[in-house]
Amino acid sequence: EVPLVQSGAEVKKPGESLKISCKVSGYNFINYWIGWVRQKPGKGLEWMGLIYPGDSDARYSPSFQGQVTMSADKSISTAYLQWSSLKASDTGIYYCTRLLGFITSGDNGFDMWGQGTMVTVSS
Amino acid sequence: EIVMTQSPATLSVSPGERATLSCRASQRISNSLAWYQQKPGQAPRLLIYAASTRATGIPARFSGSGSGTEFTLTISSLQSEDVAVYYCQQFNTWLTFGGGTKVEIK
Repeated sequence: EVPLVQSGAEVKKPGESLKISCKVSGYNFINYWIGWVRQKPGKGLEWMGLIYPGDSDARYSPSFQGQVTMSADKSISTAYLQWSSLKASDTGIYYCTRLLGFITSGDNGFDMWGQGTMVTVSS
Repeated sequence: EIVMTQSPATLSVSPGERATLSCRASQRISNSLAWYQQKPGQAPRLLIYAASTRATGIPARFSGSGSGTEFTLTISSLQSEDVAVYYCQQFNTWLTFGGGTKVEIK
C-alpha cells in the first residue's frame, strides 16, 4: 500500500486556477504534518510549506506565502495544494510528503513521499 | 533564511570506493539536518535525519556526521544503485534544501 498518492498530471494556461491532491492511507492522517515540495524541471528541491491536518494549521515558506494555499480534509485523509492564478513559472513537479517529527523538533525529516504531480503551465 | 551549500556539484566515484558529500549551513543549526537521495524519475527518499540517524531500511553503507555548520554524508562503498542526486535539508529554522550533489560512477 502506498501511503501518499497524488493526483495526476495537469496542463493549464496562465491565469487559470488549480487544486491538486494528496491522499493518505496506512497511518493516522491527523497526527503528522504534511509538507509540499516543488521541483522545477532539471532543478533542485524547494520547500513550500507545511500543514497539520488535525487543525489545518498551515505554515508557508516566505517564498510561497500568498502564492499558494494548503488545505486538508480530515474526513477523507486528503491534503490539497491550490493556486488561484497560475503562472508559467509554476511549472514543475509538486510532491506531498510526511514530516517525521513535530514541527519544532530538529530531529526531523520527510520520511514518506507521494509520487509527485507534474504541473505544466503554458499558453 | 538559512542557506545550505552543498559540494561538490558532481562527484565521480569508482564502484566500491568511498563517496564523501559535504553540506554547509550559513548559520549554526545544531544537528537539525537530513539527507535525501533522489534517483532519476523518482521522488526523494529520506536517508539520514538528525545529522547521523539512518532512516528505516537504509543500508549501513550510508552514514551522516557533523554538527553546527558542517555536515557530511558518506557512502562507504559505492554501488551502481547509488547513482543519484543527494540533497541536504535543515530543520533548525524553517526548512531549506541544499542545491544537491550528483553522484555518478567513474
